Amino acid sequence: QKEVEQDPGPLSVPEGAIVSLNCTYSNSAFQYFMWYRQYSRKGPELLMYTYSSGNKEDGRFTAQVDKSSKYISLFIRDSQPSDSATYLCATSRVGGDMRFGAGTRLTVKP
Amino acid sequence: GAVVSQHPSRVICKSGTSVKIECRSLDFQATTMFWYRQFPKQSLMLMATSNEGSKATYEQGVEKDKFLINHASLTLSTLTVTSAHPEDSSFYICSARSGGDTEAFFGQGTRLTVV
Repeated sequence: QKEVEQDPGPLSVPEGAIVSLNCTYSNSAFQYFMWYRQYSRKGPELLMYTYSSGNKEDGRFTAQVDKSSKYISLFIRDSQPSDSATYLCATSRVGGDMRFGAGTRLTVKP
Repeated sequence: GAVVSQHPSRVICKSGTSVKIECRSLDFQATTMFWYRQFPKQSLMLMATSNEGSKATYEQGVEKDKFLINHASLTLSTLTVTSAHPEDSSFYICSARSGGDTEAFFGQGTRLTVV
């Protein structure tokens, strides 16, 4: 079993839609949760970083963590074509290396 | 966010030669740097973790004699692909983390093509 599971998609939505991206993880020792956005042939860019269960909002992006079910989500409101990218979830322990999901390829169509 | 610069962004080399990729943290001290490999449409595969001044820790299946990692300063780590072969062609990405921080920041990646 992979430590972090993420549906690779692809996911295609119309502009303006709400996008929901999800991951599950298996190790309860993971305490930090991150979402990265990666455009084609570029390095990943940190979008959101959370520590505890609950929601964290930043503009159109909301990260949600449910430690009891080991489930993490990223919601994108009012999605734009510029949001088209691969989204990677990641988890880590204190001082430990990160474990990544497979990445979900998102396309937002105008 | 913090800036990590990776160079070169693209390199083509002949089979049998060695290639060095640099990863620099520009505005913070990177006590830990990570090197990843990524195949098309696949996720990041951790190759090794390096702490400044220490030997790198390689993931299972990664040949340490083939992928030489040096992390001699708090702002620079290098990955050298020795005696490169076409199967080493891939996208290599570094990331850097400062002290007790848990989020890491990525370089732009290096696309290596071995011909």
